Amino acid sequence: AQSVTQLGSHVSVSEGALVLLRCNYSSSVPPYLFWYVQYPNQGLQLLLKYTTGATLVKGINGFEAEFKKSETSFHLTKPSAHMSDAAEYFCAVTPRPGANSKLTFGKGITLSVRP
Amino acid sequence: EAQVTQNPRYLITVTGKKLTVTCSQNMNHEYMSWYRQDPGLGLRQIYYSMNVEVTDKGDVPEGYKVSRKEKRNFPLILESPSPNQTSLYFCATGQGGYEQYFGPGTRLTVT
Repeated sequence: AQSVTQLGSHVSVSEGALVLLRCNYSSSVPPYLFWYVQYPNQGLQLLLKYTTGATLVKGINGFEAEFKKSETSFHLTKPSAHMSDAAEYFCAVTPRPGANSKLTFGKGITLSVRP
Repeated sequence: EAQVTQNPRYLITVTGKKLTVTCSQNMNHEYMSWYRQDPGLGLRQIYYSMNVEVTDKGDVPEGYKVSRKEKRNFPLILESPSPNQTSLYFCATGQGGYEQYFGPGTRLTVT
């Protein structure tokens, strides 16, 4: 079984400040990890993913995340927040390819960016 | 352009009136899935399909049906909708266990 924990439901930062959204996972097998973003009234868009290889992965819009196996974490960061980053962010995990590529999602974090 | 389309985007219906939400993809993906999104619960999988004529239950399948007669289509059927099925529904497609591509969502209200 796998699970994802995103602590807190809302994060507020000032424009230009560091964005840090936390994600911890539980998985019985080495997982694939994802961050998705959902803008208001839209579907989910993939920000970045970790499958194998380099543990620091870069995604779209200046976001990056680091897979830390020892901490079972996959935190999302961006050095300088922009107003357009305001959205809901979901961390997700899936086991290595198998019968069901089900994504198990965290509950999501709403990011607000203050001018 | 790679697309996942869902119809309708918005639907208000009454308890017990059968409805179907369609999902179509043009990426030739074998894997398709339905999720529902509820505040504070994130997204939960309803049903999934590994290929044509192959479907299986996800985490919250009660009250839903699916079919996969063609590779590109994966409709979600609510035979007798109830108010607790009021939610935002997403169809997703993928290939080989990697990232999934989501449709724009269908907001369903059952009164």
